[in-house]
Parts: sequence; C-alpha cells; structure tokens
Amino acid sequence: NAGVTQTPKFQVLKTGQSMTLQCAQDMNHEYMSWYRQDPGMGLRLIHYSVGAGITDQGEVPNGYNVSRSTTEDFPLRLLSAAPSQTSVYFCASSYPGTGTGELFFGEGSRLTVL
Amino acid sequence: SQKIEQNSEALNIQEGKTATLTCNYTNYSPAYLQWYRQDPGRGPVFLLLIRENEKEKRKERLKVTFDTTLKQSLFHITASQPADSATYLCALDTGRRALTFGSGTRLQVQP
Repeated sequence: NAGVTQTPKFQVLKTGQSMTLQCAQDMNHEYMSWYRQDPGMGLRLIHYSVGAGITDQGEVPNGYNVSRSTTEDFPLRLLSAAPSQTSVYFCASSYPGTGTGELFFGEGSRLTVL
Repeated sequence: SQKIEQNSEALNIQEGKTATLTCNYTNYSPAYLQWYRQDPGRGPVFLLLIRENEKEKRKERLKVTFDTTLKQSLFHITASQPADSATYLCALDTGRRALTFGSGTRLQVQP
C-alpha cells in the first residue's frame, strides 16, 4: 500500500523557471492538500481540494496553481519560481471531504530556488 | 486567523520520565485538535485526535487533554524512550475544511 507518493524528492530551480510537484494517493481519499514547511513557521496550507474538480486556496496560495482532475492526483504548479518558494512541500490526504480527518502525508519534496 | 503556539522549540528529558508538550491557541475555538509526530526528513504522522467535548484521550503511552476554557491542549508521553525523540506538531481545524499547524516542539529523550 503506497499511501501518498510525492515526486520529485529534491529539485533545484532557477528564478523564473516553472515546474510541477506531483502527488498521488491510492487510498481513494476525497480530500487532498498541499503544505509548505519552513524553519520556525510550521506547516502552512497552500491549496486544498475536497474532491475531483474542486479546489480552494489556503493560507499562502500566491505563486502556486493546482488542479484535481482525478481523485488520485493533485499536482502543484509553480508558475515562475522565486527564492521565497525555497521550502519543503508536503502533500496530504484524508478520507472525509470535510478535511477534518486524520491526514496522511507524503515524504515531502525539497525545493531550492536559486 | 487562528494562531497556535507550542510551548518551546525544544524539550530535553531523561529516559523514563514523562514528557509534557503544550499547545495554546487563540481566536476561533476548534471542534477538534490533532497531534502529529515528525521525524527528520519525513512527513508528519498522525498520533491522536481529540474533540471539543472530550477532556482526555489515551493511546498506549500517549495522553492528550483538551481544555477549551484555557484554549490549551497538553500532550503527554509517559515512560519516555530515546525512540520518542522527534518533533511533535499540534493542529486545529479552522472551520474552513483545513487544519492549521503549530510550529512544533522538538523532543529529545536522553538515555
């Protein structure tokens, strides 16, 4: 049982480049979300989705896009990378679409923007 | 917006003692609160969930309390072991289908 799978695990970008962080879950969870984690600031919510075709903004959405075309996948797109987006990104999912259940996290994607 | 404070950035205790971690919050009163464990380089792992109408919840050596009057949750690990060393995060529902996380407390259990 793979759970939540994130790729890539590590990525280095130059300022202005774009890229997509992939997230897939095989638990048939309705709810998926993206967080970023920075030292001393905890996990901050970027975007979330309560089901296929439905997305909403979290606390820090600027500079990121998401889509949810299937239940399994929830990619996070960086449109034009900036050094301030250097962070560790975590994808998480849970069964209830309310986002109130136990969150299952991926192992993280460490992004460095030069 | 919801603000969460976890008592200290780091907590060092001796093996066998009880570790007590604090999570304080302001503003919105959550319907429930969750605790997660995070090891270096790994994603957080769910430990316990406690609802606003529950005063205490236990799971093996773990105990969580939830005081909605004080706006505080306490997380206890009894008979602590070096393997319990990790960062512990508390998280609250925001009422907007999302969890807000504290910055975590790094626990170090000395043998």
